[in-house]
Amino acid sequence: NAGVTQTPKFQVLKTGQSMTLQCAQDMNHEYMSWYRQDPGMGLRLIHYSVGAGITDQGEVPNGYNVSRSTTEDFPLRLLSAAPSQTSVYFCASSYQPSQPQHFGDGTRLSIL
Amino acid sequence: GENVEQHPSTLSVQEGDSAVIKCTYSDSASNYFPWYKQELGKRPQLIIDIRSNVGEKKDQRIAVTLNKTAKHFSLHITETQPEDSAVYFCAASRDSSASKIIFGSGTRLSIRP
Repeated sequence: NAGVTQTPKFQVLKTGQSMTLQCAQDMNHEYMSWYRQDPGMGLRLIHYSVGAGITDQGEVPNGYNVSRSTTEDFPLRLLSAAPSQTSVYFCASSYQPSQPQHFGDGTRLSIL
Repeated sequence: GENVEQHPSTLSVQEGDSAVIKCTYSDSASNYFPWYKQELGKRPQLIIDIRSNVGEKKDQRIAVTLNKTAKHFSLHITETQPEDSAVYFCAASRDSSASKIIFGSGTRLSIRP
């Protein structure tokens, strides 16, 4: 049972490049979410999804897009990377928001 | 929208002493309050959670208390040990499949030997 798998683990981008952070879970969880964690700061919600085909914005959605075509996958797209998006990104999943969240190992993203 | 505030941002206690971290939330309809521990370079992991139908929950050296009237909840760690050093996050959500979970800003706990 893999749990929540995030790829890649590390990535360096140049300003203006685009990329997709992958998140997959094998627990049949309906709720999935993306957070960014800046140094010394907490987990800020970017986007979340309560089921396939349903997504919504979190606290800091600007510059990011998501889609949820399947229950298992919830990719996060950076459309035009900016240095302010340098951060560690965590994906999490659960049956519902009011159930324990299972986090992936994170993606460390640096934008030059 | 929902807002969760967490205090203090850093906390240093002597080994063996107790540590208390406090959170307040804004959405009166919230009824699920988990706490997560994040060790350096690792993913956050759930350590304890409480629902609004109880006022206190305990698991060995950790306990969580909830005051729904005041909209605040606290994490208590007794007899602290070096392995308790980590960042701790509180969170809050409604018990609804259509809602979301919001985290506090975190508390960096250091245990002094």
